[in-house]
Amino acid sequence: KAGVTQTPRYLIKTRGQQVTLSCSPISGHRSVSWYQQTPGQGLQFLFEYFSETQRNKGNFPGRFSGRQFSNSRSEMNVSTLELGDSALYLCASSLMGLAGGGAEQFFGPGTRLTVL
Amino acid sequence: GIQVEQSPPDLILQEGANSTLRCNFSDSVNNLQWFHQNPWGQLINLFYIPSGTKQNGRLSATTVATERYSLLYISSSQTTDSGVYFCAVVFRREYGNKLVFGAGTILRVKS
Repeated sequence: KAGVTQTPRYLIKTRGQQVTLSCSPISGHRSVSWYQQTPGQGLQFLFEYFSETQRNKGNFPGRFSGRQFSNSRSEMNVSTLELGDSALYLCASSLMGLAGGGAEQFFGPGTRLTVL
Repeated sequence: GIQVEQSPPDLILQEGANSTLRCNFSDSVNNLQWFHQNPWGQLINLFYIPSGTKQNGRLSATTVATERYSLLYISSSQTTDSGVYFCAVVFRREYGNKLVFGAGTILRVKS
């Protein structure tokens, strides 16, 4: 069974631009969640989607948004990029998601975003 | 507030040595996972262990949920074990269902 895939793997953008990252979960998994990893803040939860609905959202500004499609693939969008958005963005998939403790989470390889 | 604390923050070992990494969490959890982050950034699943003991080769883990801690044991360490080890939990109470990560333990294994 193929693992979680993320595209692109690397991105360089300039301040003020917007970016869209993509995540394809493990086949059959209905939950996709997103995390941001920076040296200063560590790994932080952005949001979770389950069956095309956002179930939970972390403490990030509205510039960070996402969506999930009927095939469970998810996209994350960051508008009006700031230097501080430079980070590794990881997505995770699971069968039933995080509610009630949730099932085991499986992570993709990440997208490394650099904002200049 | 809710916390996940890992210790030690850094660990340097000689190849062949054993080590124990610790994860303390501040409240009851429904989910606890250990991950190894490889040099390219991917989080590799080691254990899904909200309670009890599991073993996988040279690695084993124990979670004592009533005392709010988990331990990851690495025996006969190899240079390929180097990297960052993360503990992550989903708290049982409604803090927002999400994986909360510790700051990680950086492990360096020298040959």
